[in-house]
Amino acid sequence: DSGVTQTPKHLITATGQRVTLRCSPRSGDLSVYWYQQSLDQGLQFLIQYYNGEERAKGNILERFSAQQFPDLHSELNLSSLELGDSALYFCASSVARTTNTGELFFGEGSRLTVL
Amino acid sequence: GENVEQHPSTLSVQEGDSAVIKCTYSDSASNYFPWYKQELGKRPQLIIDIRSNVGEKKDQRIAVTLNKTAKHFSLHITETQPEDSAVYFCAATETSYDKVIFGPGTSLSVIP
Repeated sequence: DSGVTQTPKHLITATGQRVTLRCSPRSGDLSVYWYQQSLDQGLQFLIQYYNGEERAKGNILERFSAQQFPDLHSELNLSSLELGDSALYFCASSVARTTNTGELFFGEGSRLTVL
Repeated sequence: GENVEQHPSTLSVQEGDSAVIKCTYSDSASNYFPWYKQELGKRPQLIIDIRSNVGEKKDQRIAVTLNKTAKHFSLHITETQPEDSAVYFCAATETSYDKVIFGPGTSLSVIP
């Protein structure tokens, strides 16, 4: 158990709909990262937050948005869903930007299926 | 921005043989290079990492080498075992750990 909690584990929805994925980082971790893993694909970096502020952005579509709340949990919002958005969405957390360890602790992922 | 390439995409070895996975990165500012292992249906987990002030690091059967001049780093697994079968991802980032960029992954199969 990595200590990172993601909900829901599975989600099935229709095209055009909107969903919210939630992530609770490990206790004490300030950074939260979101990754998309499509079938047989790698880990595509979407966005990173540190202590409530956006720190880095990757290949995140304009239909997607995220935020990190004061209690450090994060939500990834996916709207106007398309079939191609079907993927496993991972959240990862790490301790801080200035510590010597850069290890990312991944959650179990949220599997999104768009029909 | 950073781009990480990884080869081969698939690798099949006999149990007991060695496996080598190679990665290249593009951003010369990157100085932290972790490797993650993802077993089927599981989350990725860190197995070893290396920083730019070190050329090689070993942990039992796994080792990582870094050539900062050439911007490439490699994962070496010796005496492979069936439980080493998984997808391995290399990654690169700066010490701020912002924007950790992963390679496309290598699917390793160890044949008993």
